[in-house]
Amino acid sequence: DIQMTQSPSSLSASVGDRVTITCRASQDISNYLVWFQQKPGKAPKSLIYAASSLQSGVPSKFRGSGSGTDFTLSISSLQPEDFATYYCQHYNSYPLTFGGGTKVEIK
Amino acid sequence: EVQLVESGGGLVQPGGSLRLSCAGSGFTFSDHYMDWVRQAPGKGLEWVGRTRNKAYSYTTEYAASVKGRFSISRDDSKNSMYLQMNSLKTEDTAVYYCALCSYSGGNWYTDSWGQGTLVTVSS
Repeated sequence: DIQMTQSPSSLSASVGDRVTITCRASQDISNYLVWFQQKPGKAPKSLIYAASSLQSGVPSKFRGSGSGTDFTLSISSLQPEDFATYYCQHYNSYPLTFGGGTKVEIK
Repeated sequence: EVQLVESGGGLVQPGGSLRLSCAGSGFTFSDHYMDWVRQAPGKGLEWVGRTRNKAYSYTTEYAASVKGRFSISRDDSKNSMYLQMNSLKTEDTAVYYCALCSYSGGNWYTDSWGQGTLVTVSS
């Protein structure tokens, strides 16, 4: 199985900051990676697919990059609605697996 | 607008069975692969399994943790997917989400999610 390792597991940031979350796959997954945002008590929401393609309706402040084993999600100009937990997931092969999540909190 | 509605969750004793349903609307259900994903209380996301579409004979894939105990099926005439859960364990306690899969660049990825249904396995 492919292991997905996210870092950091949590971070504190201020409104207006830019943050970067890293996701590392245990083997080459090409660009078969999705990023999700989850707010407390809510279902996850897809932000980025194919490592860098923005989902329809998602603001361009979210940027995904990477291929192979190393990926990043950047969020520019953090706003109160961006404070949430973010997950990566590969879809290269079965079983699909998620990273452990990164909780973005208000400093 | 894509809408996915799960139902069937509840309290069940260890060793028991439960069947979850997922009703989809706002998209051509029969064209899409569909996923089940779960989230234990206070924990991260865990992919449970997937059903392919008719073109791929509705074949299924499962996580090792549920293989042999859970079974995914679908009824395209009802725009619905099901998760039959048998031999339930306390560690199966979670919110269960169904999700629509979309196709890009050669593979299907987990895309839009329902609101989830809570399954509690406890005596």
